[in-house]
Formats: sequence, C-alpha cells, structure tokens
Amino acid sequence: AQSVTQPDIHITVSEGASLELRCNYSYGATPYLFWYVQSPGQGLQLLLKYFSGDTLVQGIKGFEAEFKRSQSSFNLRKPSVHWSDAAEYFCAVGSNFGNEKLTFGTGTRLTIIP
Amino acid sequence: EAQVTQNPRYLITVTGKKLTVTCSQNMNHEYMSWYRQDPGLGLRQIYYSMNVEVTDKGDVPEGYKVSRKEKRNFPLILESPSPNQTSLYFCASSSGSYTGELFFGEGSRLTVL
Repeated sequence: AQSVTQPDIHITVSEGASLELRCNYSYGATPYLFWYVQSPGQGLQLLLKYFSGDTLVQGIKGFEAEFKRSQSSFNLRKPSVHWSDAAEYFCAVGSNFGNEKLTFGTGTRLTIIP
Repeated sequence: EAQVTQNPRYLITVTGKKLTVTCSQNMNHEYMSWYRQDPGLGLRQIYYSMNVEVTDKGDVPEGYKVSRKEKRNFPLILESPSPNQTSLYFCASSSGSYTGELFFGEGSRLTVL
C-alpha cells in the first residue's frame, strides 16, 4: 500500500529565509508525487507534481521539489519565503491504476514570522 | 470560472438526522471524489466516481453513500450521522486522463452533536 510521511507537523520560518519541507513516500512502483497547499478556509491547490523525467520540478509561487528515489523523498523548497506562504502543505502520492486516488501525508503547517 | 462548489460550507446537526452535502463541478470532469480531513490524519478518501453511474469505495466509506446521476454532480449522503463523522469534507474532480491534478472545493465543515 502506498503511504506518505511528513515528519514535521509545524515549521516556523522568518520572512525572506529559505524553506524546505520534508516528504517521504512508500510505493511499490514509480510514484506520482504531488505537493498541495491549503490556505486557511480554502480548498487545496496544486503546487507541483512529478511523474517522470527531470527529478527537479518547478511549481507555482516559486516553489520547487526534488525527487530522490534512493531516499524515497520528495522535499519541497523555496529560496525566500513571503508572508503569504503561510499555509498548510500536503505531500501526496498517486497511481494511475483505475482510481485516481491520492494518498496524502498528514500535512506541515508553515508559520512565517516578520 | 472553473470551480468545484460544495454546499453547505458549514453545518451543525444531530446524531441520526440524514443530511446531504452537495458537490458540483463545471469543468466537465469525469472523475470526482470525496475526502475527509481530520487533524493529524491528513485527507482520506471516502468514495470516488470514474463516471456517471460508476462509483466505488475509498479508504473510509463506512457511514456514507454517494450517487452519480449526472456528470457534474456528486452528492455525499450521511444516512444516520454520528459524532465520529464530525470532520472537514472536500469534494474534488479531475479530467480522468490522469493528469494528477485534483481540483478541490472549498470544503464543508460538519459537526454532528
């Protein structure tokens, strides 16, 4: 069964500092990997996704993520955070076999301090 | 504007009183799904639908029903709600060609007393 682990429940970062959110996955085949962001009171929005090819993927809002098969990781990064980046971030793994279900991690809440 | 619309956004009800949370999408998507979000558990899939009249269970289907009579609508039915169904519910849709991008509604917060 596929699973996702986000080891950090809550991270606090100063505005302008760099950010890395960790994600580890478990999946038997080549995974489809995603990062979603949830702003307060909102639904989830796709930041970026990895299906195949280049292991460094670029997303919206200046985010990027790197797929490392040897470490079963798909960490999200941003070189300089903005106050508007405060939100909850979810890593997810999916498959293309029938159900387009995504299995989500438990999320990381990001707080930005001035 | 492309969107997934859920109603109601907030609801407080009592144990055993049947309720329906509606979900509608205007993107002509074939695939629709319901998730519930609980603190410390992330999002878990309840039911999904690959197309009209085609539905199947997700990971936590107990206590829920769904139907897909039209492509755009995918209501979630709680026949006899219980307090353990207090949660934040999200409807999502995608084109079905597996782009991986699920479009989410804004969520429905349900409290069962």
